[in-house]
Amino acid sequence: NAGVTQTPKFQVLKTGQSMTLQCAQDMNHEYMSWYRQDPGMGLRLIHYSVGAGITDQGEVPNGYNVSRSTTEDFPLRLLSAAPSQTSVYFCASSLPYQETQYFGPGTRLLVL
Amino acid sequence: DQQVKQNSPSLSVQEGRISILNCDYTNSMFDYFLWYKKYPAEGPTFLISISSIKDKNEDGRFTVFLNKSAKHLSLHIVPSQPGDSAVYFCAASGGNAGNMLTFGGGTRLMVKP
Repeated sequence: NAGVTQTPKFQVLKTGQSMTLQCAQDMNHEYMSWYRQDPGMGLRLIHYSVGAGITDQGEVPNGYNVSRSTTEDFPLRLLSAAPSQTSVYFCASSLPYQETQYFGPGTRLLVL
Repeated sequence: DQQVKQNSPSLSVQEGRISILNCDYTNSMFDYFLWYKKYPAEGPTFLISISSIKDKNEDGRFTVFLNKSAKHLSLHIVPSQPGDSAVYFCAASGGNAGNMLTFGGGTRLMVKP
């Protein structure tokens, strides 16, 4: 099993550009989520999904969109990037009703 | 306002000694607590967890203690090894859909040989 995979590993954007961060898992996990990590802030929840077709907002959802068309994939879209979105983004997955989440290696995003 | 706090940004310990990492929380709805370990350029990896119905959970060199009345938990690593050098995140779950986690800010542990 590859576990949770994320692409790209690193990306530089200009303010106003759009992009999609990809996340996939091969563990047949129903639950998937996106977090961002900023210095001293830990990881903060952006959006999450409890199954295909179901998404909900986390703590810091503004500026991000998600969709969940399959169990395996959970892409995160930035429609108009801002410097405040410079961060490291982690995707995670878990089984239903299991608190232990499995994280991908992260995507480092720099918005100029 | 952060619901999970790790007040020590960093901790330095000598190899072979005990490392104690602390975490405080404010939300009484949290009923499950986890510790994650993170190396640079990698994603967090699960280390150990504890349910709110317990006050201690042990796994090899790692023990987590929970004091519900004080809303405090701690991670003990005995003996500490240089490979334990990493950032440790405390996380809590409960009272929300999807069992999503609320994280503390992290503590960077450095174990000196």
